[in-house]
Amino acid sequence: DAKTTQPTSMDCAEGRAANLPCNHSTISGNEYVYWYRQIHSQGPQYIIHGLKNNETNEMASLIITEDRKSSTLILPHATLRDTAVYYCIVRVGGSGNTGKLIFGQGTTLQVKP
Amino acid sequence: DTGVSQDPRHKITKRGQNVTFRCDPISEHNRLYWYRQTLGQGPEFLTYFQNEAQLEKSRLLSDRFSAERPKGSFSTLEIQRTEQGDSAMYLCASSQGQKYYEQYFGPGTRLTVT
Repeated sequence: DAKTTQPTSMDCAEGRAANLPCNHSTISGNEYVYWYRQIHSQGPQYIIHGLKNNETNEMASLIITEDRKSSTLILPHATLRDTAVYYCIVRVGGSGNTGKLIFGQGTTLQVKP
Repeated sequence: DTGVSQDPRHKITKRGQNVTFRCDPISEHNRLYWYRQTLGQGPEFLTYFQNEAQLEKSRLLSDRFSAERPKGSFSTLEIQRTEQGDSAMYLCASSQGQKYYEQYFGPGTRLTVT
């Protein structure tokens, strides 16, 4: 499984875009990038995932570089409720997988008024 | 969709006692996962079920831990002879079909062993 590296913490002003980077330089061709977040005292929440194309849903956008060695999660208009720990996780896709998520330390995003 | 529920939300027990936690996954989800999270750390995988079959157990799951999912619906996690090191948040998650990594988590059970 590819190792991921994220900054320990980041700040963002309310209403501005939050750009959370993740480095996964050893990612292999069949590994997907998943993002979760965990708001204080809650269970983790799935946000988005991608393989090589950029993805967007109602929560966020995921930009994956062409060489797939890094990605950025973008929260377009951060609110105070987006304050959380954000985890970038790389896992092999396809059938027969365990679904075991391996969480690192993540990035603590503090959205400030 | 009522989400994943866990019971109890908090449990305080004395060292050496047994405790049991319950998880009710989203009803149509066939996979159920247990994770443990200690303060300041990300969640760590413990075990998972596909329907009623337990398919993988982490080395973190010592012989004092046992998990069941008897009818492929709710699951229980029992810890026997609790130790202070068992103090943690125990998280349950479920997923549907082949969306293995799109997991829906419950609020967790916080265990404190005194």
